[in-house]
Amino acid sequence: AQSVTQPDIHITVSEGASLELRCNYSYGATPYLFWYVQSPGQGLQLLLKYFSGDTLVQGIKGFEAEFKRSQSSFNLRKPSVHWSDAAEYFCALNSGGYQKVTFGTGTKLQVIP
Amino acid sequence: NAGVTQTPKFRVLKTGQSMTLLCAQDMNHEYMYWYRQDPGMGLRLIHYSVGEGTTAKGEVPDGYNVSRLKKQNFLLGLESAAPSQTSVYFCASTKTGGPNIQYFGAGTRLSVL
Repeated sequence: AQSVTQPDIHITVSEGASLELRCNYSYGATPYLFWYVQSPGQGLQLLLKYFSGDTLVQGIKGFEAEFKRSQSSFNLRKPSVHWSDAAEYFCALNSGGYQKVTFGTGTKLQVIP
Repeated sequence: NAGVTQTPKFRVLKTGQSMTLLCAQDMNHEYMYWYRQDPGMGLRLIHYSVGEGTTAKGEVPDGYNVSRLKKQNFLLGLESAAPSQTSVYFCASTKTGGPNIQYFGAGTRLSVL
C-alpha cells in the first residue's frame, strides 16, 4: 500500500527566511510526486511535480523540490518566504492506474513579519 | 476559462436530510473525483469516475452515492446526512494517459447539524 507522510503539521517562519517542508513516501515502484498548495477557502493548486529525470524540480512561485529515492523523500523548499506563501501545503503520490492519488495530511505554513 | 466548478459553496443540513453536490468541468477530462477534507486527515477519496456512465468507490464511500451521466458533470449525493459528514468536499478532474495533474474546484463546505 502506498502512503505519504508529512511529519510537520504546522510550521512558522519569518518573512524572508528559507523554508523546507518535509514529505516522505512509501511505494514499491517509481512514484509520481506532487506538491499542491491550498490558500484559505480555496481548492488545491499544483506547485510542482516529479515524474522522472532531473531530481530537482522547479515550480511556480519560486518553489523547488528534490526527489531523493534513497531517502524516500520529496521535500519542498523556497529560499525566501513571502507573506503570501502562508497556506497549507500537501504532498501527493500518484501510482498510475486510474490516477489514484494519495495525499499527505498537509503542513500549514504561517509567515510572521 | 472556468476549469472545475462546484455548487453550492456552502450548505447547512439537518441530520437525515438529503442533498446533491454538483461538479462541472470544461476541460474535457475523462477522470473525475470526489474528496472530503477533514482537519489533520488530508484529502480522502470518496468516489471516482473514469468516464461517462462509470463510477467506482474510493476509500471512504459509505453514505455517499455518485453519478456521471454526462462527461462534464459528476454529482455527489448524500441520501441521509449525518453529522460525521460535516466536511469540506472537493471535486477534481484529470485527463487520461499516465500520471496527470489533478485540477480542483474551490470546494463545498457542508455542515450537518
